[in-house]
Amino acid sequence: GQQVMQIPQYQHVQEGEDFTTYCNSSTTLSNIQWYKQRPGGHPVFLIQLVKSGEVKKQKRLTFQFGEAKKNSSLHITATQTTDVGTYFCAGPGSGNTGKLIFGQGTTLQVKP
Amino acid sequence: NAGVTQTPKFQVLKTGQSMTLQCAQDMNHEYMSWYRQDPGMGLRLIHYSVGAGITDQGEVPNGYNVSRSTTEDFPLRLLSAAPSQTSVYFCASSRRSGTANTGELFFGEGSRLTVL
Repeated sequence: GQQVMQIPQYQHVQEGEDFTTYCNSSTTLSNIQWYKQRPGGHPVFLIQLVKSGEVKKQKRLTFQFGEAKKNSSLHITATQTTDVGTYFCAGPGSGNTGKLIFGQGTTLQVKP
Repeated sequence: NAGVTQTPKFQVLKTGQSMTLQCAQDMNHEYMSWYRQDPGMGLRLIHYSVGAGITDQGEVPNGYNVSRSTTEDFPLRLLSAAPSQTSVYFCASSRRSGTANTGELFFGEGSRLTVL
């Protein structure tokens, strides 16, 4: 079945360092979404990418969608302690039913 | 603006007991779903619904039942709880997006279930 893989599973960085998480799908995606979950919280939507090669920025966060629409990345520049949490990518499931299949997530810890 | 409301927030069950996790949304969203979150496994889809009266299985449906009698409510039933169902459960809803049919998901705050 369809799989969405995310690496790395964990990342520890010093405050001010950059961070990147990568997402790969076994199938071509019509779009990809990114979510952030703070410790003890629930996932919160960050962004959706739809076009091949699309790049979107939100302050220090840069999201990319691959040319083949099978991979995506989230890059955070100059991490801050407020960036701590787990970042998930998610792609549509088969059948155009609206369901989303999530990657395993990357947990980011930032040392002050 | 309540959004997605899940109850209970915490529950402890004994093996073999049954229970229902409640989920309600007040955004008139067509699509609702249930996920379970386990360490290292991410969010796995249990069941989903594209509208009242329509439900379907996700990645890990065994041991769970759902129904969707109204647009607002999407309860998740554990028929005979097992320790393997110890997890954090999230309900989510979204509006159907025009082109890709995958709109932004709004999540509830989660229900932490322990089965002894």
